[in-house]
Amino acid sequence: NAGVTQTPKFRVLKTGQSMTLLCAQDMNHEYMYWYRQDPGMGLRLIHYSVGEGTTAKGEVPDGYNVSRLKKQNFLLGLESAAPSQTSVYFCASRSGTGENIQYFGAGTRLSVL
Amino acid sequence: KQEVTQIPAALSVPEGENLVLNCSFTDSAIYNLQWFRQDPGKGLTSLLLIQSSQREQTSGRLNASLDKSSGRSTLYIAASQPGDSATYLCALEGFQKLVFGTGTRLLVSP
Repeated sequence: NAGVTQTPKFRVLKTGQSMTLLCAQDMNHEYMYWYRQDPGMGLRLIHYSVGEGTTAKGEVPDGYNVSRLKKQNFLLGLESAAPSQTSVYFCASRSGTGENIQYFGAGTRLSVL
Repeated sequence: KQEVTQIPAALSVPEGENLVLNCSFTDSAIYNLQWFRQDPGKGLTSLLLIQSSQREQTSGRLNASLDKSSGRSTLYIAASQPGDSATYLCALEGFQKLVFGTGTRLLVSP
């Protein structure tokens, strides 16, 4: 009964380093999303995918890349981390048909020094 | 561009009180509206989803209403409990995407 799993849970990077955040869902959902949450700004959509092999930009895509090579996985990459990317990152998924509820992972807390 | 506002930003009430959280939005062309709960350091959990054609949804002590014409939704919590303490977020679904409000942080004291 895993749902949406995010790895890692915490990470500290130095400016300029790169990393990949992994999101995995076991509900056979078509749609997957990456958000960032910052104090006073709510959740903002970074990128999303409506199916395997597809990706699209959200509200704040700059500095991030994504890939959806397998239906169950959605990867978020930071090629050259900046302090402005310090945030809590959430992945979510939903069916795409019928039920429209989004299911969220527990989040990844990222600090860029 | 859809803008979602939640008022108040924070609310503190004694246990047992009935309370209302507010959500307002600027674009009524929505597919649905969802209310989420977020506990500190955790992800979001969906509480209620109201389809665009519906006026309200109920789950236990929670009741959410939707008035598209006025661009408003309310979340009513009856007989509040300390376990209800959390941040509550509303989110509007447009084409393929959710737009979130900034949330109301609720504290229910024993």
